[in-house]
Amino acid sequence: GENVEQHPSTLSVQEGDSAVIKCTYSDSASNYFPWYKQELGKGPQLIIDIRSNVGEKKDQRIAVTLNKTAKHFSLHITETQPEDSAVYFCAASISGNQFYFGTGTSLTVIP
Amino acid sequence: EPEVTQTPSHQVTQMGQEVILRCVPISNHLYFYWYRQILGQKVEFLVSFYNNEISEKSEIFDDQFSVERPDGSNFTLKIRSTKLEDSAMYFCASTPGRSSYEQYFGPGTRLTVT
Repeated sequence: GENVEQHPSTLSVQEGDSAVIKCTYSDSASNYFPWYKQELGKGPQLIIDIRSNVGEKKDQRIAVTLNKTAKHFSLHITETQPEDSAVYFCAASISGNQFYFGTGTSLTVIP
Repeated sequence: EPEVTQTPSHQVTQMGQEVILRCVPISNHLYFYWYRQILGQKVEFLVSFYNNEISEKSEIFDDQFSVERPDGSNFTLKIRSTKLEDSAMYFCASTPGRSSYEQYFGPGTRLTVT
C-alpha cells in the first residue's frame, strides 16, 4: 500500500519567515495530495490540495508543489503569522479514495 | 458554512463494552469516512461508505467494527467489544461526490477505554 513520509516533525520559525514542509509518497498511482492543518482539540482542516496534473498551486500565503517523477510534494507558507502555529499533515490518495497521511509537522511561529 | 459534526466529543468506556460514535456529515455529501488517530500518531483510514454500503476498509476495520447510516443524516461507527488499544481520536469525514476529492473532517470523538 501507499506510504507517506513527512519531514520535519517539528519546525520553529520567526514570524514573517517562510516555512516549508516536505512529503514523499511511494505509490505512483496516487494522484491527489491534500494538506491539512490541525489545531489543538480540533479536526484536520483542509488548507490546500493539488492533483497530479498540476505542478504547483498557490492560495495567498500558502503554496504546494508536486514533483511526480520524484514522488514528493511540499507545502510552503510565506510571511508566517502566530496563528499559523498548528500541526500540518500531508496526505496522498488515489482519486479521493482512502487518504494515507504523513506523520505530521508541528509548526511553531515565534512572534 | 456547513460542517461535519460529531458526538460525543469525549467517550469513556470500560474494556469489553460497546460504543457507538455518531457523525452528521455535510448534508449534500455522498461519501463518508471514518479515520482514527492514536495519540501522537498519524491519522489512519478505517472505512469508507457510499450508497449504504462499505466501499473500502483497512486492516484495522475488523469484525469488531461496523458502520451504519440509520437515517438520512447520521453516520455511525460501532465498536462491539472495546479494547484498550481502541483508545484514540475518531474522525468522521465526508465528500460531495466522485469528482470531488476533498474530504471535510469533523472535530472528532476522543474515545478512552479503561
